[in-house]
Amino acid sequence: GESVGLHLPTLSVQEGDNSIINCAYSNSASDYFIWYKQESGKGPQFIIDIRSNMDKRQGQRVTVLLNKTVKHLSLQIAATQPGDSAVYFCAEMGVGTGFQKLVFGTGTRLLVSP
Amino acid sequence: GAVVSQHPSWVICKSGTSVKIECRSLDFQATTMFWYRQFPKQSLMLMATSNEGSKATYEQGVEKDKFLINHASLTLSTLTVTSAHPEDSSFYICSAIGDRGRQETQYFGPGTRLLVL
Repeated sequence: GESVGLHLPTLSVQEGDNSIINCAYSNSASDYFIWYKQESGKGPQFIIDIRSNMDKRQGQRVTVLLNKTVKHLSLQIAATQPGDSAVYFCAEMGVGTGFQKLVFGTGTRLLVSP
Repeated sequence: GAVVSQHPSWVICKSGTSVKIECRSLDFQATTMFWYRQFPKQSLMLMATSNEGSKATYEQGVEKDKFLINHASLTLSTLTVTSAHPEDSSFYICSAIGDRGRQETQYFGPGTRLLVL
């Protein structure tokens, strides 16, 4: 099962810096990946997604990079703002019992200082 | 975008009582709903998947007799925590997929905080 973590990895940046959050996924058969932002006490909020037939996708201030060779996913946030402070989760989609199930990574806390 | 709501947003109950949490898709029909549990400083763990009108599929290690899931309509799924104990205290989050957006897009609710005393 999932490892139990009592401490989320934390990335601290200054406002205006670029942030890079990394994620290692587990299933080489996964073909769809999503980044979510979760603020304290709230549900996950969709940021950006990417399919396995791509290695890069850009959104507004965010870029997701996918390296299938090493099963690595990254989220780049340009010009990070205090409002970006949150926990970020990557998620991979695996197929099981006929339903599309999301498997979440352990998460990274992003702290943005003004 | 598609909206998913949960009720209540937080609940405190005594040990041994049962608690029902509702998950509603407000502006789309949800053919499949998912229930997750999240402990402090941890990730979301899928508990079960439910399709409207059929029995839920539970993940390994999740007691189906303790966490009752009813997906009675295309806009409502309920999770009942029966005989709740302090170790059931957690953040419960639902998500839904349906006739809005792409088939694989899950829309998440705001979560329900459960505290069992």
